[in-house]
Amino acid sequence: ILNVEQSPQSLHVQEGDSTNFTCSFPSSNFYALHWYRWETAKSPEALFVMTLNGDEKKKGRISATLNTKEGYSYLYIKGSQPEDSATYLCAPTNTGNQFYFGTGTSLTVIP
Amino acid sequence: DGGITQSPKYLFRKEGQNVTLSCEQNLNHDAMYWYRQDPGQGLRLIYYSQIVNDFQKGDIAEGYSVSREKKESFPLTVTSAQKNPTAFYLCASSIDMGTQYFGPGTRLLVL
Repeated sequence: ILNVEQSPQSLHVQEGDSTNFTCSFPSSNFYALHWYRWETAKSPEALFVMTLNGDEKKKGRISATLNTKEGYSYLYIKGSQPEDSATYLCAPTNTGNQFYFGTGTSLTVIP
Repeated sequence: DGGITQSPKYLFRKEGQNVTLSCEQNLNHDAMYWYRQDPGQGLRLIYYSQIVNDFQKGDIAEGYSVSREKKESFPLTVTSAQKNPTAFYLCASSIDMGTQYFGPGTRLLVL
């Protein structure tokens, strides 16, 4: 079992603010890193999958970076909107391809 | 519409009773998974199946059983041996072992 840590646990920001979260994981046997967004009463939705050190992915106002050598990934949201309110989960996978989910960062964007 | 369905949304179990949670997908995915979520914890893998008629234990398989008789279906039985079954259960599927797509979940409560 991989020890995956996400910080902060929760975050409240004003509409228009930019924010970022961290996902930390053991760098040994790393294969890929997945980010998901989970809105209340909905299914978790895949945002990004990254595999290479230095990878950067972007989807609209959301972007993510990956550092496999030190074992972390950042998720950035630029100009947060109320519809960005959700829990953001990261899940590194090892060479066995099993997903190990963190506890998530709960984001609330205040209008 | 393609997707993953889980039923029921809420399920109540009496002491000593087995209950079965349904998971169906029409995405033509080979792999399917069951996760459990408890407060303050990340999603934990119960069982997964990479192909019909084959499945593997995850990190917390004790007290659970599964079957995979059809590609579209991966039901999870919570047996009376599971002493702490109250949780939120998520089913997912993927093409091979890549990005996972999730259902809406079933919340199991013990009477």
